[in-house]
Amino acid sequence: QAHLEESGPGLVKPSQTLSLTCNVSGVFIRGSSDYWAWIRQPAGKGLEWIGRIYHDGRVNHNPSLESRVTLSVDTSRNQFSLGLTSVTAADTAVYFCARETLYFATHWGYYLESWGQGTLVSVSS
Amino acid sequence: DIQMTQSPSSLSAAVGDRVTITCQASQDISDNLNWYQQKSGKAPKLLIFDASNLLTGASSRFSGSGSGTDFTITITSLQPEDSGTYYCQQYKNLPQTFGQGTKLEIK
Repeated sequence: QAHLEESGPGLVKPSQTLSLTCNVSGVFIRGSSDYWAWIRQPAGKGLEWIGRIYHDGRVNHNPSLESRVTLSVDTSRNQFSLGLTSVTAADTAVYFCARETLYFATHWGYYLESWGQGTLVSVSS
Repeated sequence: DIQMTQSPSSLSAAVGDRVTITCQASQDISDNLNWYQQKSGKAPKLLIFDASNLLTGASSRFSGSGSGTDFTITITSLQPEDSGTYYCQQYKNLPQTFGQGTKLEIK
């Protein structure tokens, strides 16, 4: 069973870059057929999928954030990271990392099986 | 992006009741839909995948149905621990998108 844990600053100034890392234990990112994803949730609001990365570096981004998002993976440290540039107050949210498990039932599919506990990032001067 | 619309936004029900939450997609997503439960201050937990498959370990009181654009999750014999917010999620197209959530309160 995978365990994920987010880490990074809880406070970022406007216009600066938000940087978070997700440490993964219990499963090796390198040997996994899964994707590794970021999702965020503003206080009292719903969930927004930010993007995902594969162990070989292939990424998919949410177009709404694509120009500001950088996803990276470090298989030697078994972790993956999120960078979000030019942040504003609208980027204040709880950020979750998650394992996007690939499976086959009647067809190939994905689900967000394992999640970190989430980390609150506030954007404020 | 595919828009996911849940209804109701919130509901209140008593222990032992049966409740149904609906989720409508803005276009055909086949059965590429998952349901999650989120407790306050916690990460979401997967309950149902591919519209109707119960995740191993999830309570059998949960069931899902639907295909195409219209989906439901039903909870039978409601228990206090079922309180929380429920989200549907489509993965047919990127970006994956979630419904706005349905907050379930147990009376």
